[in-house]
Amino acid sequence: SQKIEQNSEALNIQEGKTATLTCNYTNYSPAYLQWYRQDPGRGPVFLLLIRENEKEKRKERLKVTFDTTLKQSLFHITASQPADSATYLCALATGGFKTIFGAGTRLFVKA
Amino acid sequence: DGGITQSPKYLFRKEGQNVTLSCEQNLNHDAMYWYRQDPGQGLRLIYYSQIVNDFQKGDIAEGYSVSREKKESFPLTVTSAQKNPTAFYLCASSIDGAGAGKNIQYFGAGTRLSVL
Repeated sequence: SQKIEQNSEALNIQEGKTATLTCNYTNYSPAYLQWYRQDPGRGPVFLLLIRENEKEKRKERLKVTFDTTLKQSLFHITASQPADSATYLCALATGGFKTIFGAGTRLFVKA
Repeated sequence: DGGITQSPKYLFRKEGQNVTLSCEQNLNHDAMYWYRQDPGQGLRLIYYSQIVNDFQKGDIAEGYSVSREKKESFPLTVTSAQKNPTAFYLCASSIDGAGAGKNIQYFGAGTRLSVL
């Protein structure tokens, strides 16, 4: 069956460190992989998109990698801050109208 | 301000009652979506609409209905046939009405539905 897996355990890190979140998928051939941020009680907010033929994408303190052989994306936040604490969702767009979402990983950044 | 507006923020449903969740967007997007979010699960697609007067069932459409009479509006009705309606409901829109494939989703703030 088709699955997107994100670490269900929360990630706790110290302020200033790099947070790395993992997204693994099976039985998809996504054209695009997306990352969203969701704060409690709010809708997700789009952060970054990476195409299947791109290995890496950066935006300010964010970096996303996409390995279609391993079927994995890594999402990095460098110099993390308490304000980065949120749930981060990975999502796959296969080129049609649907976007498939993972359950998300909760990140806590301690001051 | 451009964006997606969902209302109400909180909604309570009595047994046997149909309730309607509102979703309005002023982003001029063609595609609109309804998702359901339960704790520990990914967003699950209920219905989506690529264009006015057309909509498609998603993965969990049973017990729900939608309409798309205007580009700006995509209301969701949770019917009495939906036996476990308690969840966080999210409406989204995407500019990819032509199926360009990126499907970047712009979300509203959500409606939390509970059963009395």
